[in-house]
Amino acid sequence: QVQLVQSGAEVKKPGSSVKVSCKASGRTFGTYVISWVRQAPGQGFEWMGGSIPVSGPANYAQKFQGRLTFTADESSTSAYMELSSLTSDDTAVYYCTRDGGAEWGLDYWGQGTLVTVSP
Amino acid sequence: SFDLTQPPSVSVSPGQTASISCSGDKLGEIPVFWYQQKPGQSPLLVIFQDGKRPSGISERFSGSNSGNTATLTISKTQTMDEADYYCQAWDTNSAVFGGGTKLTVL
Repeated sequence: QVQLVQSGAEVKKPGSSVKVSCKASGRTFGTYVISWVRQAPGQGFEWMGGSIPVSGPANYAQKFQGRLTFTADESSTSAYMELSSLTSDDTAVYYCTRDGGAEWGLDYWGQGTLVTVSP
Repeated sequence: SFDLTQPPSVSVSPGQTASISCSGDKLGEIPVFWYQQKPGQSPLLVIFQDGKRPSGISERFSGSNSGNTATLTISKTQTMDEADYYCQAWDTNSAVFGGGTKLTVL
């Protein structure tokens, strides 16, 4: 059974950074790509990028190049997404997903982490 | 990157068939995925590779993709199907989502 469990809600100041964790169980960690998708309040989805935790190179959406970093900790089977230089436009629910690419799609999703950027 | 266009809303009566479209340039040439999102919940994959259903998804959900349009079809629609539905495809190495369609069952 695949489960993705994310860290709790965050409130950040503009200009700061946020780091969201995603703990993967089941045969996911190190085997599948973990991608990150965000959803601003009342809006649709925006793909941010993904990587195979620990081993794979990261693939960042061009929009986030330079302020987005994916890392992972093999011992805790956790993937991390860190976004810097936050603005109010970054207020959103952030989801980690198991990414099966063009064959399987985004077949498992975490519960989401609300990040609020406010002065 | 390309754009995926969905109607903002679709309404259907209980027991009838709902169809939700997703349009994009030459969309029929690449696989399309559909996600269901109910209020306050994470998205759920309901269709992959145009028309395949993941384990546990009702047979009432089906999909097709040809030309410039992919379609999600929900037969014998129930009130529990009321949700937002999003199509998604891959453009080179990036995932692209449609804007979403709110399905109302009334």
